Parts: sequence; C-alpha cells; structure tokens
Amino acid sequence: KQEVTQIPAALSVPEGENLVLNCSFTDSAIYNLQWFRQDPGKGLTSLLLIQSSQREQTSGRLNASLDKSSGRSTLYIAASQPGDSATYLCAVRVADKLIFGTGTRLQVFP
Amino acid sequence: GAVVSQHPSWVICKSGTSVKIECRSLDFQATTMFWYRQFPKQSLMLMATSNEGSKATYEQGVEKDKFLINHASLTLSTLTVTSAHPEDSSFYICSALGLAENTGELFFGEGSRLTVL
Repeated sequence: KQEVTQIPAALSVPEGENLVLNCSFTDSAIYNLQWFRQDPGKGLTSLLLIQSSQREQTSGRLNASLDKSSGRSTLYIAASQPGDSATYLCAVRVADKLIFGTGTRLQVFP
Repeated sequence: GAVVSQHPSWVICKSGTSVKIECRSLDFQATTMFWYRQFPKQSLMLMATSNEGSKATYEQGVEKDKFLINHASLTLSTLTVTSAHPEDSSFYICSALGLAENTGELFFGEGSRLTVL
C-alpha cells in the first residue's frame, strides 16, 4: 500500500529564507508526483507536476525534484515571502488514484 | 490550467436531510473525477472514483449508499450525502482528469464545506 509522508509537518520562518519541503513515498511505481498549495478553507492549487521519467520541474521561485528510486521528492522555495504561507501537499499518482501526503504547514513572517 | 468548479462552496443542513454537491469541469471534458474528504488539519482522503457513464468505485470504508456519486456527463459529477449526520460534516473536494489529458495532471475544485446540525 502506497504511503506518502511529508516532513516537516510545520515550519515557521522569517521572510527571505530559502526553504526545503520533503516528501517521501513507499512504492516507487508511480505515474507522476504533484505538489499543491492549499490556503485555509480553500481548495488545492497545483504548483508543479513531475512525470516519473523526469528529475525536476521549475516554476518561478519553486523547484521540485524527484528521485523515484529512493522514493523522495523535495520542493524548494527560494526567497520566501509572507504570501507563501499555506499548507503544501505532495501527491503521487498510482494508476488512477492520487495519494496525498500529510502536508507541511508553512508560515512565513515579515 | 484547467478550471474545475464546485457548488455550493458551503452548505448547512439539518440532520437527516440529503445534500447534493456538484463538480463541473468548465473548459475541458473529464472522463474521470475523484471525490475527496478532508477533516480539519488533515490531508485529503480519497472517497471514490467516478467515470462518465459507469458506476463509481468506492474506497474501502466508504459507504456507497451514504455517498451517492453520479457522473452523467463529461463535465459534471455529483456527490449526494444522504441522510446526513453531524459526523458527515467535512470539507469535500473534487478533482478531474481531462479527456485529452496526457500529462496525468489533476485539477481540483475549490471545495465544499458541509456542516450538519
């Protein structure tokens, strides 16, 4: 059974810091991996999608890497801003299902 | 990215009543839609997978007679919580996979918050 874990569970940092959020999964047979952002009481916003054959994807200040063999992905946020405060979720696609991680609650203070 | 719309965004109902939540793909056709449930400060839990024109596939532990799912068209799936009880209060989120999708990216609705009194 695929299990997805995210570390840390919560993170509070001053703005300007570069951050690394970790995601690990137990079964490397994934179709792709997706990182999402969720603001309180809101739905999910897709940030980055990495196919199983890819190693990384970049969008603006965000960079996500994927090491399928070791079952790990990292989301790198450069020069964090208060507007980045949210919960970040990673999810792996297995067959037709998307299995979510436990999430990292990020707070960036001015 | 593709747009998925959910309605209503929030609903309050009395115990014993039924509530219907709609999930629409606005600018693409979705062969498959997924329904998730999220409790406060927890991650998303997949409830069921619905394919257009066929019966939904429910995850283990999810009562199919309690949570009725209909996917009658390529742009609309509905979740009906029947005889709702306070323990059904939760945040329900749908996602959709496009017909011509070849990246496997899923797009999510804004979610529907259900409160059962």
